[in-house]
Amino acid sequence: AQSVTQLGSHVSVSEGALVLLRCNYSSSVPPYLFWYVQYPNQGLQLLLKYTSAATLVKGINGFEAEFKKSETSFHLTKPSAHMSDAAEYFCAVSERSGNTPLVFGKGTRLSVIA
Amino acid sequence: DTAVSQTPKYLVTQMGNDKSIKCEQNLGHDTMYWYKQDSKKFLKIMFSYNNKELIINETVPNRFSPKSPDKAHLNLHINSLELGDSAVYFCASSPPTSGGAVTYEQYFGPGTRLTVT
Repeated sequence: AQSVTQLGSHVSVSEGALVLLRCNYSSSVPPYLFWYVQYPNQGLQLLLKYTSAATLVKGINGFEAEFKKSETSFHLTKPSAHMSDAAEYFCAVSERSGNTPLVFGKGTRLSVIA
Repeated sequence: DTAVSQTPKYLVTQMGNDKSIKCEQNLGHDTMYWYKQDSKKFLKIMFSYNNKELIINETVPNRFSPKSPDKAHLNLHINSLELGDSAVYFCASSPPTSGGAVTYEQYFGPGTRLTVT
């Protein structure tokens, strides 16, 4: 069975500082990996995805993530945090066999301090 | 031109009542899902439908009955509501995985916050 572990339920950074949100996955087969962002009282918006092309994936709003098979990781980074980045971030995994449901991590709340 | 829409956005009701949540997608996708987000923000799949047929039912109580009248709609009916049903329910859809450009990601609706008192 697939699973996702997000280290740190809450991460706090200063405006302009590096953002690093950690995600490790467990899967018996090479998975698809996703990062979603949820702003307060809103739905989930896709930030970026890994589906077996380049291991370094660039997404929206300046975020990127690197797939490291040897470490079973897919950490999310952004060089310089902005106040508008404050939100809940979810890492998710799915199988490669068609439209299968996403298995989510427990989420990491990002706070940005002015 | 909303991609995935849900109604209502908020739903407050008493224990024992029956309620429905509607979901519609105008993306032409074949597969639709219902996820539940609990008070700790944990998201978990409830149901998955492909071309109006149920393909995944993740041990959800049978008080929950999804219904897909057509590919663009997936509704969720809940009987005999309980306090523990209070959560945010998200509908999502995803495109076919064969033919044309395959994107794999799921598109989520804005959510329905259900409060059972």
